[in-house]
Amino acid sequence: TQLLEQSPQFLSIQEGENLTVYCNSSSVFSSLQWYRQEPGEGPVLLVTVVTGGEVKKLKRLTFQFGDARKDSSLHITAAQPGDTGLYLCAGGSSNTGKLIFGQGTTLQVKP
Amino acid sequence: NAGVTQTPKFQVLKTGQSMTLQCAQDMNHEYMSWYRQDPGMGLRLIHYSVGAGITDQGEVPNGYNVSRSTTEDFPLRLLSAAPSQTSVYFCASSFDGSYEQYFGPGTRLTVT
Repeated sequence: TQLLEQSPQFLSIQEGENLTVYCNSSSVFSSLQWYRQEPGEGPVLLVTVVTGGEVKKLKRLTFQFGDARKDSSLHITAAQPGDTGLYLCAGGSSNTGKLIFGQGTTLQVKP
Repeated sequence: NAGVTQTPKFQVLKTGQSMTLQCAQDMNHEYMSWYRQDPGMGLRLIHYSVGAGITDQGEVPNGYNVSRSTTEDFPLRLLSAAPSQTSVYFCASSFDGSYEQYFGPGTRLTVT
């Protein structure tokens, strides 16, 4: 069974601070996706990484896929209250044709 | 272009009642799926479909049925609701099950 361990589960920081969320597995994934979910809504895709070692930047967000394609990280620089939400990583397997989701990280950014 | 729509938004059931959660998409996606979201457990796959007439079980299928008669619609049926099925349910669609999923707004279900 493929599992994705996401850490930390909760993060409460002040505006302007930096943070990193980790997503780890013992399994190899063909892709790693990061979603953001706001209360009362469904998750929305932020980014997909598919190549080991790949780094993608989305404004203040930096996403990295591990060299072995087993882990990923999301780094936010100078967090803002608008970044508050639930962040989910999801590993895609071309073998199973499915996504496996991590438990999620609830981020609160205080003004 | 509405994307993925789900109804109802909220539902309260008594133990033993049955109901159908509706899901529709207008993006002509072949792959559709149902997830449940519980605190601290992320999203868990209930059932999925790779096309009209084809469905399969996910990680937590017990107590749920699905059918896929058209590309657009993928209803989820609760046969006999139990308190353990209290959760938020999300329907999603995509071109492929392992790539970007487009989620509906969710149905919050409470079983008393």
